[in-house]
Amino acid sequence: GESVGLHLPTLSVQEGDNSIINCAYSNSASDYFIWYKQESGKGPQFIIDIRSNMDKRQGQRVTVLLNKTVKHLSLQIAATQPGDSAVYFCAERGGGDYKLSFGAGTTVTVRA
Amino acid sequence: DTGVSQDPRHKITKRGQNVTFRCDPISEHNRLYWYRQTLGQGPEFLTYFQNEAQLEKSRLLSDRFSAERPKGSFSTLEIQRTEQGDSAMYLCASSFAGKGTDTQYFGPGTRLTVL
Repeated sequence: GESVGLHLPTLSVQEGDNSIINCAYSNSASDYFIWYKQESGKGPQFIIDIRSNMDKRQGQRVTVLLNKTVKHLSLQIAATQPGDSAVYFCAERGGGDYKLSFGAGTTVTVRA
Repeated sequence: DTGVSQDPRHKITKRGQNVTFRCDPISEHNRLYWYRQTLGQGPEFLTYFQNEAQLEKSRLLSDRFSAERPKGSFSTLEIQRTEQGDSAMYLCASSFAGKGTDTQYFGPGTRLTVL
């Protein structure tokens, strides 16, 4: 069977390693998903997005995977750097809706 | 910098006072959103404008809150008779409704502290 990644509120990663951040979403009608990075005292910063008709999308050092069967989203960061330390939020948007619904957030700490 | 801007960045007020925040969206963006974020939580939707029309309001937006976008450009969010529970980060985002994914870009936020 396929395992579903657990959402962890915190993640500690060694510099240079790959990070995987998991997110479970709730709305089966959601058709658009987005990952944001938020540093302390700042607003959320767009990282990458994916539509529901895709399973995978790659950006610079980041990859988003979408599993609609189990309503799971993940963000992979390659070669994690100290500047990647932040809180990461996944967000979903329902079909025909405009507002985003955010997950709980994962705090990523990069160890030197 | 052509991103979303918000003013002020920080506001400290006494309970019962009125406060007003301003958001300037990315130029040409026709949609504007307000969210509220409390410590340790993700942003929660408050309200949304398409051009100057306010199209949706969350149940979180009590009658003490009012938002406007008079000319379809900048927006203001006013909180009347502030309460300590209003202390939060107020975030503004904007997007362009076109052929793309209507991606929302956020401003730096206004942190409100009600004493």
